[in-house]
Amino acid sequence: GQNIDQPTEMTATEGAIVQINCTYQTSGFNGLFWYQQHAGEAPTFLSYNVLDGLEEKGRFSSFLSRSKGYSYLLLKELQMKDSASYLCAVSDSNYQLIWGAGTKLIIKP
Amino acid sequence: GAVVSQHPSRVICKSGTSVKIECRSLDFQATTMFWYRQFPKKSLMLMATSNEGSKATYEQGVEKDKFLINHASLTLSTLTVTSAHPEDSSFYICSARKDENKLDTEAFFGQGTRLTVV
Repeated sequence: GQNIDQPTEMTATEGAIVQINCTYQTSGFNGLFWYQQHAGEAPTFLSYNVLDGLEEKGRFSSFLSRSKGYSYLLLKELQMKDSASYLCAVSDSNYQLIWGAGTKLIIKP
Repeated sequence: GAVVSQHPSRVICKSGTSVKIECRSLDFQATTMFWYRQFPKKSLMLMATSNEGSKATYEQGVEKDKFLINHASLTLSTLTVTSAHPEDSSFYICSARKDENKLDTEAFFGQGTRLTVV
């Protein structure tokens, strides 16, 4: 079956750096997305990786290793507003998005 | 970025009644829209794929007669929860991709609808 795994919850300190991991097993691979979702709101797009390596976008970076079925989202200079759930999603062979359960990130002052 | 508008954002209805949720792509045309359901602390669960001008494709385990989907135009899809029961209470989200022919096109989401059935 298809499976996306990410930690349920993480805690970090304001101003610090946090890495949220995602491992996947899917039928085919057409890219991996990271989304941010604040409580009670819809997800918003953060990043897309389809080739191995690191993609940097401001305070957020996303890394992909296709051979390992592994990705991470790196958040730097954490701010209180970064408290949210972070969803990993993989586009499978049919271009359908398979979603992880999300990682709830708690930022402490 | 592209905008997808979903309405209503919150609805409370009585058990046995029906509720319609609208999803509109405001600045692009979407042949395909997706309807998700999300439980607390759970992943987004794809319910169905809405296809303009044809029948929706439902995921396994989703009752097509209970969750009616209509995609009458390239900018509007509706989800009707018929004969709602308390177990249908959930967060429903629609999404669409701006350019369906590009692999790296992100999905844009509506604001979500919090349905509470009492």
